[in-house]
Amino acid sequence: QSVLTQPPSVSGAPGQRVTISCTGSSSNIGAHYDVHWYQHLPGTAPKVLIYGNSKRPSGVPDRFSGSKSGTSASLAITGLQAEDEADYYCQSYDSSLSGYVFGTGTKVTVL
Amino acid sequence: QVQLVESGGGVVQPGRSLRLSCAASGFTFRSSGMHWVRQAPGKGLEWVAVISYDGSDKYYADSVKGRFTISRDNSKNTLDLQMDSLRPEDTAVYYCARPQTCGTSHCSHVDVWGQGTTVTVS
Repeated sequence: QSVLTQPPSVSGAPGQRVTISCTGSSSNIGAHYDVHWYQHLPGTAPKVLIYGNSKRPSGVPDRFSGSKSGTSASLAITGLQAEDEADYYCQSYDSSLSGYVFGTGTKVTVL
Repeated sequence: QVQLVESGGGVVQPGRSLRLSCAASGFTFRSSGMHWVRQAPGKGLEWVAVISYDGSDKYYADSVKGRFTISRDNSKNTLDLQMDSLRPEDTAVYYCARPQTCGTSHCSHVDVWGQGTTVTVS
């Protein structure tokens, strides 16, 4: 059972903006550990989209942005494109578990 | 180029053992902490275990603690996962993954992933 909760699915029309929430607790996100976001397409390796709460690796479009506040974090996708259809996961470190945690995952559908 | 290639997956009966390996290339393996992450069919990503750059520190998810052992051979640039007392719920694709950096208490994000190897416990 994951300790980071995400909505199971979000959807939007091409060009729209969608956001994915990631809710944690005082032992992970609320303890100031960084939140990272990954995009995962079936049959491929996950890819980091956002690291350190809001940083984008080179090559990731600026349509993707991340933020963090309190015990939660969010990933926003603006100008939604068909190629953004994928599963998205947040990830952080949990001090009470002495280990790493992934969010429950969110499937993004482009209508 | 930086690459991680997993091997050793297969079909195994409950209660038996299996050993996964990950061959690393294109970076200084002996300086990197390493993870195993898995994804069960129809489920999300689950962190399994992490090992420090020199193998001195190892941490495990509660779901595998006492059954799985992570290890590394820096002379061969390989990472292993020994899985004992396997259960049907261990069925998953197992990924070898490199965190970009590791500090004294934890590591940052994963910036390199392998393609995964499939383990089926049935």
